[in-house]
Amino acid sequence: DQQVKQNSPSLSVQEGRISILNCDYTNSMFDYFLWYKKYPAEGPTFLISISSIKDKNEDGRFTVFLNKSAKHLSLHIVPSQPGDSAVYFCAASAIGNQFYFGTGTSLTVIP
Amino acid sequence: DAGITQSPRHKVTETGTPVTLRCHQTENHRYMYWYRQDPGHGLRLIHYSYGVKDTDKGEVSDGYSVSRSKTEDFLLTLESATSSQTSVYFCAIRGGYEQYFGPGTRLTVT
Repeated sequence: DQQVKQNSPSLSVQEGRISILNCDYTNSMFDYFLWYKKYPAEGPTFLISISSIKDKNEDGRFTVFLNKSAKHLSLHIVPSQPGDSAVYFCAASAIGNQFYFGTGTSLTVIP
Repeated sequence: DAGITQSPRHKVTETGTPVTLRCHQTENHRYMYWYRQDPGHGLRLIHYSYGVKDTDKGEVSDGYSVSRSKTEDFLLTLESATSSQTSVYFCAIRGGYEQYFGPGTRLTVT
């Protein structure tokens, strides 16, 4: 049973516009959420995270929003750049040792 | 750079043969993880370790075993490889609240 879900396998956005990637989770015990970016033939790289005590965290062009009541988080990239084209994974953990990952969303930023 | 290396980076093996993948870290992290990545499934946890000789199963542990005799090395073994174990395998360490990943090993079982 998938505890973390990314329902959009792919997304295309024009350069300079906003990219919004979505993630839903089912386990209310999750208290820490992360986004990773992955290029082909490389390992995932950590992008940004958010604790459940917050509803927003910002780092440069990247902002993560958390809606605990809806069990939903999103990643906003503004402005989108061609170098942002990659697969994005969301992940969640519950003060534990295990992290649960979504299936990924492939973002294409069109120049 | 989290100081994680994986070896080999690519391997082709035949069904029924044993295979061992190695993960090496240089930063003395306590927690280490093995994942596999498959289309439509994202990253799935195979096994993880929380210290030397301390390991536990993840969600897809059947057919895999692990060992950790030193802090810096975490080995993943497929005792008898099957075609369903063709995948890309990633090792990760936990630093603080985040995980950091190695470059991956592409394993093909023919």
